[in-house]
Amino acid sequence: AQKVTQAQTEISVVEKEDVTLDCVYETRDTTYYLFWYKQPPSGELVFLIRRNSFDEQNEISGRYSWNFQKSTSSFNFTITASQVVDSAVYFCALSPLTRNFVFGPGTRLSVLP
Amino acid sequence: NAGVTQTPKFQVLKTGQSMTLQCAQDMNHEYMSWYRQDPGMGLRLIHYSVGAGITDQGEVPNGYNVSRSTTEDFPLRLLSAAPSQTSVYFCASSRDRARGNEQYFGPGTRLTVT
Repeated sequence: AQKVTQAQTEISVVEKEDVTLDCVYETRDTTYYLFWYKQPPSGELVFLIRRNSFDEQNEISGRYSWNFQKSTSSFNFTITASQVVDSAVYFCALSPLTRNFVFGPGTRLSVLP
Repeated sequence: NAGVTQTPKFQVLKTGQSMTLQCAQDMNHEYMSWYRQDPGMGLRLIHYSVGAGITDQGEVPNGYNVSRSTTEDFPLRLLSAAPSQTSVYFCASSRDRARGNEQYFGPGTRLTVT
């Protein structure tokens, strides 16, 4: 079975703090893809990153970075120097090569000024 | 290039009524899908399609029907609305029928069933 767990339901930080959103996944497939999506208060879903199971290199994009560790089945997302505009619900998702997406329940991040 | 569009944006139905949520994409994507979003449950797959004329059930298909007569359009039909179908519905598409591609989402339809 495929499953994505985001244990942090809600996180609040003060602007300029760093914050890490946790994502743990379960799959028996050897080839799969992991994703992060952002859902700001306006409601749309914005694609942030896609990572395949054979690429464990960390990725950095501006203030965002992602840490993929196959050994712990985790794909964590860190925002450095958070800003109010980062306030959103963040979803982690898993897509094995031959199966549909499975989304985690989401983590609501509030960045306070 | 509009991406993925959905109509209507908001809808209120009475129990037992039927309606169709519209979804269209202009990116020539083969794969399209419908999700519902409920608090604390993330997005759950209702139905999906890997190309025109091909549809299949997702995790929560009961009470919904789909068809895919063209590459562009993927409407979702509620056959007899129930309060349990109160939710936000998202349509999404991705490049081809292989899994693992990022999905692009429409703006969502907020449905309330009274």
